[in-house]
Amino acid sequence: SQTIHQWPATLVQPVGSPLSLECTVEGTSNPNLYWYRQAAGRGLQLLFYSVGIGQISSEVPQNLSASRPQDRQFILSSKKLLLSDSGFYLCAWSVGGLAAQHFGDGTRLSIL
Amino acid sequence: KNEVEQSPQNLTAQEGEFITINCSYSVGISALHWLQQHPGGGIVSLFMLSSGKKKHGRLIATINIQEKHSSLHITASHPRDSAVYICAAMYSGGGADGLTFGKGTHLIIQP
Repeated sequence: SQTIHQWPATLVQPVGSPLSLECTVEGTSNPNLYWYRQAAGRGLQLLFYSVGIGQISSEVPQNLSASRPQDRQFILSSKKLLLSDSGFYLCAWSVGGLAAQHFGDGTRLSIL
Repeated sequence: KNEVEQSPQNLTAQEGEFITINCSYSVGISALHWLQQHPGGGIVSLFMLSSGKKKHGRLIATINIQEKHSSLHITASHPRDSAVYICAAMYSGGGADGLTFGKGTHLIIQP
């Protein structure tokens, strides 16, 4: 069966520090991968999606970047975190078009 | 601009009540998701539908494409149904079918 792992579950970082959140999917090949963010008091927002290795599309301009070094690995990064980067980050996967998306457990990121 | 509106924002009901949560969207979509988010933040996909009606246990989701409206119903509600329910639209023409989310409905079922 397919599983998605996202870590860490919680993270507290100082302003200006780098960030790396990792997401891996098991049990499927060539998934579509997504990074979403839920800021405090706001709905979820799509940040990045990827249809294959090295293929990243960004939905909103921001301080973050994403990479997909392997088929089932999706990484969210920042060189210098801002206070506004605080939030709940979710990774998700799907296979094929018009397919249900499956979510990881999320990472709660607090910037101090 | 593609938008998803949900109502009500908050809903408190007694155990056993029939619950309805509404979702409307602005333009044509490929499909619509209903998601459940628990207090810890984890999200579970409940339904994905593009027409008609789907049922799973006590949960029913309906969509009316012409009216650009979907509803999530919970029959015989139970305190364990307490969660945030999120409607998310999958819009046509996107790259990998990323979702546009409503702000969620915070549901509390009291015993």
